[in-house]
Amino acid sequence: GAGVSQSPSNKVTEKGKDVELRCDPISGHTALYWYRQRLGQGLEFLIYFQGNSAPDKSGLPSDRFSAERTGESVSTLTIQRTQQEDSAVYLCASSPGQGSQPQHFGDGTRLSIL
Amino acid sequence: ELKVEQNPLFLSMQEGKNYTIYCNYSTTSDRLYWYRQDPGKSLESLFVLLSNGAVKQEGRLMASLDTKARLSTLHITAAVHDLSATYFCAVTASGTYKYIFGTGTRLKVLA
Repeated sequence: GAGVSQSPSNKVTEKGKDVELRCDPISGHTALYWYRQRLGQGLEFLIYFQGNSAPDKSGLPSDRFSAERTGESVSTLTIQRTQQEDSAVYLCASSPGQGSQPQHFGDGTRLSIL
Repeated sequence: ELKVEQNPLFLSMQEGKNYTIYCNYSTTSDRLYWYRQDPGKSLESLFVLLSNGAVKQEGRLMASLDTKARLSTLHITAAVHDLSATYFCAVTASGTYKYIFGTGTRLKVLA
């Protein structure tokens, strides 16, 4: 596709359930990023994939959060045993992973934990 | 650890006025970016600044970079309502493609 695609766009779930968020980056982009944005706040870095290198997981807030990426394509962010404080918009971005081109962002998944 | 700070966090200004948003970062970086986010929307890239003294302009917005001071500015000239949005700067640590974002500046331009 032309841009970064995220699904679902909205997700409402009960506390304690697991959720899986999907990101489809721009074709050819080797770098993929996940961010969390709470209401009215800035972007909180979660995880960064670059090609076949080990991902930088330094931003994952707890072991309930994990992410995978298949080669240089789709990524999934999984949150286990969701808590109310997980409610936020989860943004995915991709970039060529070289040169100076900026990141391209998806529209995000708005996650609400009841 | 690379940290990025913006100020002000909130800015309310009259149409036609000028103002500057500041972005400070804590360690050496080789790339700085400015993004715009409209309410309920995702982020849109505005500028990429790569070298000391770099200046980029688009319409009423002008961004500059001083790598020695670790400071970037986003200057707004003769603001109009359509510029109301949140503006973020982001920096990559030297040698990496890990982007660290500033806190954002929420700009409201009053008619």
